[in-house]
Amino acid sequence: EVQLLGSGGGLVQPGGSLRLSCAASGFTFSGYAMNWVRQAPGKGLEWVSSISASGGTTYYADSVKGRFTIARDNSEKTLYLQMRSLRVEDTAVYFCAKDLRVVSSGYFDSWGQGTLVTVSS
Amino acid sequence: DIVMTQTPLSLSVTPGQPASISCKSSQSLLHSDGKTYLFWYLQRPGQPPQLLIYEVSNRFSGVPDRFSGSGSGTDFTLKISRVEAEDVGVYYCMQSIQLPPYTFGQGTKLEIK
Repeated sequence: EVQLLGSGGGLVQPGGSLRLSCAASGFTFSGYAMNWVRQAPGKGLEWVSSISASGGTTYYADSVKGRFTIARDNSEKTLYLQMRSLRVEDTAVYFCAKDLRVVSSGYFDSWGQGTLVTVSS
Repeated sequence: DIVMTQTPLSLSVTPGQPASISCKSSQSLLHSDGKTYLFWYLQRPGQPPQLLIYEVSNRFSGVPDRFSGSGSGTDFTLKISRVEAEDVGVYYCMQSIQLPPYTFGQGTKLEIK
């Protein structure tokens, strides 16, 4: 069974940093692209970032480009999202999502439960 | 960016009755590979989203056959033939022909009467 366990969320002040993790199990982690999707409180879904299976290709939403960095450690079966210069508008539940393909393609077949990031002074 | 527009934003349906959600994209989602990259996701209350439909009309593994997707180009529809209580939640369409970014519709909240 595919499992994606997110962690690392919490309360941080504007301008601060946070690193999210998503520990994967139940599938060959190194064989699939991974993604981060967020959901602000009471709002819809927003794609944040994607990374290919090898980690060699990454994509970012304009709203986070230059501030967030997606990475993965295939030996540890873990996906990361390093978030810097956080803004109030980054407050959201962050979901990690497994893709069905080696390169990100939108086929998000498994999702983690989400980890809450709150940016507030 | 491709804009995805869903209608209605909410609907209330009696169990056993059909439901339909429309999704329109600002650009064609038909790729040169012949596939149309339109997906439907359902987010049940308190849960992460789950994949329902991929490439317009293909039900994902385990999705009941009361769910069906149709459409082409820029106009798409998700239909539930007979709504059940477990279908409650928010339905999102999403495009992946263009990356970045993937874009979602605003979501359609389905409630049971």
